[in-house]
Amino acid sequence: EVQLVESGGGLLKPGGSLRLSCAASGLTFSYAWMSWVRQAPGKGLEWVGRIKSKAAGGTTDYAAPVKGRFTISRDDSKDTLYLEMNSLKTDDSAVYFCSADLPGGISDYFDYWGQGTLVTVSS
Amino acid sequence: SYELTQPPSVSVSPGQTARITCSGGASPKQFTYWYQQKPGQAPVLVIYKDSERPSGIPERFSGSSSGTTVTLTISAVQAEDEADYYCQSGDSSGTSYVFGTGTKVTVL
Repeated sequence: EVQLVESGGGLLKPGGSLRLSCAASGLTFSYAWMSWVRQAPGKGLEWVGRIKSKAAGGTTDYAAPVKGRFTISRDDSKDTLYLEMNSLKTDDSAVYFCSADLPGGISDYFDYWGQGTLVTVSS
Repeated sequence: SYELTQPPSVSVSPGQTARITCSGGASPKQFTYWYQQKPGQAPVLVIYKDSERPSGIPERFSGSSSGTTVTLTISAVQAEDEADYYCQSGDSSGTSYVFGTGTKVTVL
């Protein structure tokens, strides 16, 4: 059974930094293209960014609101995805989900989801 | 960039049909995916590649596409179908993913 477990969320002040982790199990993590998706309280889903598998180049792409502030990375030896968030704003407050896109998966984008971790940015 | 626009809400009585549209999207048109999300839960894929249904998703869920508008149809709606629904697609280069604005389905 595929499991994605996010951690690292918390309460912090504007301008601060935070690193989220997503531990994966039940899948060949190194093959997966991994994404972060966020959802502000009472709002819709927003794609944050994605990192390809190393076999596909390991490149990253980001949504415009976070580009230059957020960095996605992966450690295939630990089956773990990371989201480094800097210069945080109140608008970044959200539940952050990680998601896996597996080769041959039906979604092409988000085959599996974690349950999310809450980040609150407030002064 | 581009946007995917959905109606904010759809209300339907049990046993009736709910239709949710999703308009906009990249050019050339890419496949659209539909997710169901209930409060406090992660999204669940209910339709992929415009009209395909994953295993385990009830047959009352179907998808269709016409021009730049895709539609999620829930036939014979049940109380358990009350949820938020999001369409989702990507651009042709694969560097940008977008979710629709979301539709809250209320079962009266």
